[in-house]
Amino acid sequence: DTGVSQNPRHKITKRGQNVTFRCDPISEHNRLYWYRQTLGQGPEFLTYFQNEAQLEKSRLLSDRFSAERPKGSFSTLEIQRTEQGDSAMYLCASSTGSDYEQYFGPGTRLTVT
Amino acid sequence: ELKVEQNPLFLSMQEGKNYTIYCNYSTTSDRLYWYRQDPGKSLESLFVLLSNGAVKQEGRLMASLDTKARLSTLHITAAVHDLSATYFCAVDISPLMRFGAGTRLTVKP
Repeated sequence: DTGVSQNPRHKITKRGQNVTFRCDPISEHNRLYWYRQTLGQGPEFLTYFQNEAQLEKSRLLSDRFSAERPKGSFSTLEIQRTEQGDSAMYLCASSTGSDYEQYFGPGTRLTVT
Repeated sequence: ELKVEQNPLFLSMQEGKNYTIYCNYSTTSDRLYWYRQDPGKSLESLFVLLSNGAVKQEGRLMASLDTKARLSTLHITAAVHDLSATYFCAVDISPLMRFGAGTRLTVKP
């Protein structure tokens, strides 16, 4: 059990650029979640996959955000035309169908300059 | 909309003292989680509370859940410096969780 991994760990980008983050869940976890955490706040839910199907999206997930989970394994989160307000820690979590506990990855810290 | 309120948001305490962090939420849920987060790090699971009246203890931390009152508590006994961190409660509204704003705990010698 290697845990949830995320890459890159840090990303600095200029406003207007596109960025993509990757999340590798714990093996055989069929549920995968993306959260965003800004400084001094708790994580906020962005989206949820069960296997390859994206079943839930927060209204926080604007049109500039897109997430995929091809083949129900790893997931990517892309932000197009980044804005300074996108600067945050992006956390990925996974869980099984029977165990509701979510296991979090180390996060990707995005800084938009 | 579900609200999850933690208090206090900031807590400074002396080593050896006891204190309780409260987590109130505004909708029905039978599952609640407590996480710890160190600066710049991800979330570490502390407790999973799955039913009304659930109580779990690990070391100097004890968590409880009262689903009727929509209240969970995290009690700290004889605090030590290593407990300094931010503590989050999260309410299960399957399939997702709604987090509180966190309690930033500092334990001073």
